[in-house]
Amino acid sequence: DAGVTQSPTHLIKTRGQQVTLRCSPKSGHDTVSWYQQALGQGPQFIFQYYEEEERQRGNFPDRFSGHQFPNYSSELNVNALLLGDSALYLCASSLMGQRSTDTQYFGPGTRLTVL
Amino acid sequence: ILNVEQSPQSLHVQEGDSTNFTCSFPSSNFYALHWYRWETAKSPEALFVMTLNGDEKKKGRISATLNTKEGYSYLYIKGSQPEDSATYLCAFWNQGAGNMLTFGGGTRLMVKP
Repeated sequence: DAGVTQSPTHLIKTRGQQVTLRCSPKSGHDTVSWYQQALGQGPQFIFQYYEEEERQRGNFPDRFSGHQFPNYSSELNVNALLLGDSALYLCASSLMGQRSTDTQYFGPGTRLTVL
Repeated sequence: ILNVEQSPQSLHVQEGDSTNFTCSFPSSNFYALHWYRWETAKSPEALFVMTLNGDEKKKGRISATLNTKEGYSYLYIKGSQPEDSATYLCAFWNQGAGNMLTFGGGTRLMVKP
């Protein structure tokens, strides 16, 4: 049973560029959440996708957008990259994901460096 | 802005020592607290989901307690082993912000053989 996978593992971009990160959820899961983890901090919630729509959103600007496909995989897009976007981006999947007790299963993350 | 605080930020212990660390969260509108264990270069792994005041959960040498009235949870590791070295994250289910997990900054544990 494959767990959550993310690609690429590492990515280097320059300021102003755009980036797309990808996530495949754990088999049987239908909900994907994205988190940003800056150095020395805990993961911060970006948004959650369910049934191909953004269901919840954290405190992130519109430069951060996403998509969920019919097979439940998801993409995170960041436009007009800033140096401060350098972070580890984590994807987590769950089933339904609306209950407080739903466990989220995390991928290994994509390390984005913006120069 | 909801704050979830973890202390200490990092901890060095010797193999065989028992240790504990704290997660503090808002005591109002409590729904659930999640604990995760995150080894370097791996994915965060769920340890516990805690919901009731006074809850105590155990997984091998790791256990956790929950006090929702005062807004804290303790994670205990008995007889630490080098393989326990990891970052331990707690996350508060934030219903007010629209059903999402708000994470603390983590406690980084290093166990020396």
